[in-house]
Order: sequence, then structure tokens, then C-alpha cells
Amino acid sequence: DIVMTQTPLSSPVTLGQPASISCRSSQRLVHEDGNTFLSWLHQRPGQPPRLLIYKISNRFSGVPDRFSGSGAETDFTLKISRVEAEDVGIYYCMQATQFPWTFGQGTKVEIK
Amino acid sequence: QVQLVESGGGVVQPGRSLRLSCAASGFIFSNFGMHWVRQAPGKGLEWVAVIWHDDTDRYYADSVKGRFTISRDNSKNMMWLQMNSLRGEDTAIYYCVRWGNDRALDVWGQGTTVTVFS
Repeated sequence: DIVMTQTPLSSPVTLGQPASISCRSSQRLVHEDGNTFLSWLHQRPGQPPRLLIYKISNRFSGVPDRFSGSGAETDFTLKISRVEAEDVGIYYCMQATQFPWTFGQGTKVEIK
Repeated sequence: QVQLVESGGGVVQPGRSLRLSCAASGFIFSNFGMHWVRQAPGKGLEWVAVIWHDDTDRYYADSVKGRFTISRDNSKNMMWLQMNSLRGEDTAIYYCVRWGNDRALDVWGQGTTVTVFS
């Protein structure tokens, strides 16, 4: 199975400041069709997760442009350009290149 | 609007069975593969199972293989997860999730809670 490792596991941030989360996979996530199926999800307390980013860098419908994704092969990053109060919660990376699909451990973003 | 609603969770003793349901609405259910993803209390997300849009294939996590069965009925816009031989480590919120374009988990239900304990 592909292991997804996120860093940091906790990220205290100041409102209006940037935040960055890294995700590393134990294997290359390039699918045989050439795509890299790396997604980012956000979960607020008491809520189900919601999709933010898919295929490394594509923002899902309705996701603010302060969220951006980048990376390739085994190293990926989620950036929030200016953190807002509604961005608190846990962020997960997820690979969908190979079954079983696997998630990172999660990174908790909280306001300082 | 696009919606997934899970039901069927509850408290059950180890070794017993439970059947979760997922009712889909607001989209053409037969066009989409569907997943179950679970989250143990205070823990992260764990992918459980997937079923193809036309039920031509299914995959399971090793942790549930041989005990859980995913199924669907496109005429009813329904998906199920039959869970047998339940264990304490199966205690979790179970989410029904749509397999969107580009292998994205794009629509999530609110989840249904399963508690296994004696």
C-alpha cells in the first residue's frame, strides 16, 4: 500500500498569514494514464471532509483561490495564501492512483 | 441539490452484523462509482471500499476484506455496506462518498456512526 506522510501534524497560524502543508508518498503517484491523482481535503470539527484540490493543483468548485496545490511524483504541497478563520480544521492529502486509496494522517490548522 | 444520506448505524456487539445504507439524490447515480470511507473516533480517514458505477468491479481495504460487502441498486439510487463479524476496531463514522471526475471524492454524506462493543 502507498503510505502518505504529512508534515507538520499541527500548524498554528496567524490570521492573514500564509500556511503550508507537505505530503509525501511512499511511491510515485503517476498513474499509467499519465495523471497524478493527489487530492487535498478539509474537515472542520464535527463535519464531514470536503474536497479542496484534485489532481495536485485543480481547485474544486467553490474553493477560494487562496488555496493552491503543487508538486509532482512523491512530494506535494497545499498552500493557503492568507489564512481566514473558516480555514481551521484538519487537512488531509489522499492518493487515488492505486487501490487501496490512502490518506495522510492529517494536519491540524488552528489560529494562534 | 446533490446529496448523500447514510443510515443504519448503531451499537452492536462484536461478531454481529450491521447493514449501512446510502441514499443518493440530485445526480445521475448510475454514472458514478461510490465509496465508503470511515473515521474512527479522534482518528484520521480510512478508505473502506469502492463499487464501480455499473457494479462491474469492487475493491476492499485489507482490514475489511472477507467481512464487508459493498453493493448498489441503480434503479433505487442506493448503495449499501453489509458488515459482518464486526470488531471493536470497526467502530467509526462511516461516510458514503461519490467518486467524481479525475478520481476525486467530491461529494460526502454526513456519515453514520457504528459502535462495536460488548
